[in-house]
Amino acid sequence: GQNIDQPTEMTATEGAIVQINCTYQTSGFNGLFWYQQHAGEAPTFLSYNVLDGLEEKGRFSSFLSRSKGYSYLLLKELQMKDSASYLCAVMDSNYQLIWGAGTKLIIKP
Amino acid sequence: DGGITQSPKYLFRKEGQNVTLSCEQNLNHDAMYWYRQDPGQGLRLIYYSQIVNDFQKGDIAEGYSVSREKKESFPLTVTSAQKNPTAFYLCASSIVLAGGADTQYFGPGTRLTVL
Repeated sequence: GQNIDQPTEMTATEGAIVQINCTYQTSGFNGLFWYQQHAGEAPTFLSYNVLDGLEEKGRFSSFLSRSKGYSYLLLKELQMKDSASYLCAVMDSNYQLIWGAGTKLIIKP
Repeated sequence: DGGITQSPKYLFRKEGQNVTLSCEQNLNHDAMYWYRQDPGQGLRLIYYSQIVNDFQKGDIAEGYSVSREKKESFPLTVTSAQKNPTAFYLCASSIVLAGGADTQYFGPGTRLTVL
């Protein structure tokens, strides 16, 4: 079966750095996506990785290792507004997205 | 402004009633999708469409129906056959690349509650 695993909840301090991990087992691989979702709102696109390595975009970076079936999202200089759920999704061989349950990130002052 | 709109934001339905959720996009995207989101679970695909007048079942299509008469519109009907319809429903769209689908962009969602 297809499976995406990520921690249910994480807590971090304002101004700090946090790494959210995602491991996956899917039928084929056509890229990995990270989305941010504030409570009661729609997911918004953060990043896309299809090749191994690190993609940096401002305070957010995303890393992919296809051989390990592993990705992480790195958030630097945390702000209170970063409190949200972070969703990991993999595009499988049929170009359908397989979604993790999301990681709820709590930022404390 | 380009984007995806869903209406209504909140919807209440009595058991046994059908209800239709609206999704409109002006991004000129070919593909549109419907997902449902339940607490503690990943998004689950209900239906998707990559071209007008054609759509495919997703993982949990039972109790739902869709139509795609226009490129901009992809309404979802939740029928009385859906046993547990209370959920947050999300519509998304994307362009379709030669090698497959691209990044999906989401509407604001409709929260459906069955009373």
